[in-house]
Amino acid sequence: GAVVSQHPSRVICKSGTSVKIECRSLDFQATTMFWYRQFPKKSLMLMATSNEGSKATYEQGVEKDKFLINHASLTLSTLTVTSAHPEDSSFYICSASSSGADTEAFFGQGTRLTVV
Amino acid sequence: AQSVTQPDIHITVSEGASLELRCNYSYGATPYLFWYVQSPGQGLQLLLKYFSGDTLVQGIKGFEAEFKRSQSSFNLRKPSVHWSDAAEYFCAVVTIQGGKLIFGQGTELSVKP
Repeated sequence: GAVVSQHPSRVICKSGTSVKIECRSLDFQATTMFWYRQFPKKSLMLMATSNEGSKATYEQGVEKDKFLINHASLTLSTLTVTSAHPEDSSFYICSASSSGADTEAFFGQGTRLTVV
Repeated sequence: AQSVTQPDIHITVSEGASLELRCNYSYGATPYLFWYVQSPGQGLQLLLKYFSGDTLVQGIKGFEAEFKRSQSSFNLRKPSVHWSDAAEYFCAVVTIQGGKLIFGQGTELSVKP
């Protein structure tokens, strides 16, 4: 299957700082990328959907000013957690698909964010 | 609204025993259904998917799943579990708008020797 690379795999930051997480599709063009958040022992919660060249669509309850998503190219989407707080500590996972509802979404390996 | 339910939060099976993980979905049209596996601290790996056609779907690592429209179910099965199968398993349905996945709560599988 296609490869999605997510970086960094782990990051620790201080409260009040911003952290950027990258999601890259290595061998295909990802017209759509999804960002999920996963709490311990919990399922994945979709945060937002981003399409290349357009603004991300955020799910209800997700602060778009806090979680900035940019999908500048067909192979790269970034999630920036701004002014991070300890409650933002979580596992963040991206996925990417080429097009359409019937195509497989490929997942990155996730990023463990710890805010201290 | 679309939803996915995995009734079992945690299942323990003996190595070599058979396995069935339950998944029920709520969706107005014919769903696109997926099973993913997640090892601790890792991303998700696709085990199998159902879009249409044969309702018994074969996946990787010896897994299979059967789509039953009458029961709104898509249960995952494996005839003989290996210790390396211990992980978290997620059932998911894709919405027709934009292809975003709706996940079930997950089932944690433990395998005892």
